Amino acid sequence: DAMVIQNPRYQVTQFGKPVTLSCSQTLNHNVMYWYQQKSSQAPKLLFHYYDKDFNNEADTPDNFQSRRPNTSFCFLDIRSPGLGDAAMYLCATSRDRTGGYTFGSGTRLTVV
Amino acid sequence: GNSVTQMEGPVTLSEEAFLTINCTYTATGYPSLFWYVQYPGEGLQLLLKATKADDKGSNKGFEATYRKETTSFHLEKGSVQVSDSAVYFCALSKTGTASKLTFGTGTRLQVTL
Repeated sequence: DAMVIQNPRYQVTQFGKPVTLSCSQTLNHNVMYWYQQKSSQAPKLLFHYYDKDFNNEADTPDNFQSRRPNTSFCFLDIRSPGLGDAAMYLCATSRDRTGGYTFGSGTRLTVV
Repeated sequence: GNSVTQMEGPVTLSEEAFLTINCTYTATGYPSLFWYVQYPGEGLQLLLKATKADDKGSNKGFEATYRKETTSFHLEKGSVQVSDSAVYFCALSKTGTASKLTFGTGTRLQVTL
């Protein structure tokens, strides 16, 4: 089945230690998104790739970076995680402008 | 800017009760509207969507109608089940370079026997 896969499902990292979350897709969608969802809050868009074009949201902290080496993979890098970065991180894809998102199951990040 | 307002939860219902979760939006132009469901510990799943005024989205017994005159997209189900217990998010997207979703804050539904 075509899908969006996020690894790992759960990630524990130390305060200030760089961490990378990964997302892969078999849908061949050209848009990939990263959302941050803190407990009991709405998901918040961090950035997205339209093909190779990176689009950062204005209020996304510099601590968050992303890479998309090819159509199938997208990575979220947190350079120096703080306690406030503990959240569920959701990857999603869509084909062009249809708005038909497919979400992965998310990675729950804990910062200790 | 775009925004979505949902009724606050939690909503607690008995099995087979009627469900309504209110959602209103603010946007310029003609957004697409969505309901997503999130089960505990999981990512978001698309429940239903509507892309133009008066469209009705439906899935698994849930339905919502795109009402442009009232800028609303209320979610309804005639008879809820315990398995419907989850958090429900209303969202909108505007077409552009990419269809970014704007979410409401979510409404937790708890269905009891």
